[in-house]
Amino acid sequence: RKEVEQDPGPFNVPEGATVAFNCTYSNSASQSFFWYRQDCRKEPKLLMSVYSSGNEDGRFTAQLNRASQYISLLIRDSKLSDSATYLCVVNILTGGGADGLTFGKGTHLIIQP
Amino acid sequence: DAGVIQSPRHEVTEMGQEVTLRCKPISGHNSLFWYRQTMMRGLELLIYFNNNVPIDDSGMPEDRFSAKMPNASFSTLKIQPSEPRDSAVYFCASRVGAFSNYGYTFGSGTRLTVV
Repeated sequence: RKEVEQDPGPFNVPEGATVAFNCTYSNSASQSFFWYRQDCRKEPKLLMSVYSSGNEDGRFTAQLNRASQYISLLIRDSKLSDSATYLCVVNILTGGGADGLTFGKGTHLIIQP
Repeated sequence: DAGVIQSPRHEVTEMGQEVTLRCKPISGHNSLFWYRQTMMRGLELLIYFNNNVPIDDSGMPEDRFSAKMPNASFSTLKIQPSEPRDSAVYFCASRVGAFSNYGYTFGSGTRLTVV
């Protein structure tokens, strides 16, 4: 089983619509969760952290369900500039008392005018 | 803030040649990561350092790959000898501290093509 699984899409969504992505993670010990955004031929950039109580940043809302090991991202009033690949990310505990991040393969979003 | 700086941006090399990728983390960040991204496998963690010490290199594909961090402001990833299957985008990232509470920042990547 992959550590972080996402629907690769693409999701084709009209401008102004609401779109939601989900991902599941396999390691129940994971403590930190993020959504990253990656534009074509660019580096991944942190979009937002995901907190247990859910959190919102403008048009973006992230939710975490620890019992189901499930993370979601909701984008309201989508803009053309939201077209990108959205990566679901969780931390992994490694040796040495530190951790690293495991990335899903991403969900490709295309906002259509 | 200069961000994470990687060089070169693009590298084309012949199979069997040695390739060295370079990374300068953000000043004050004490953890540094090397990732590889391909269409098939997505982003894979190769190795990471905390306070210049390698913490986890279990993602390094094989002995042809090696990474060093001689000081807090510089790291290298070396492939010797290179093979066509090593073609990918290699990203370096850095963060403050040993834990991922705040995520981390990526460099622009090195696009490696081995022919």
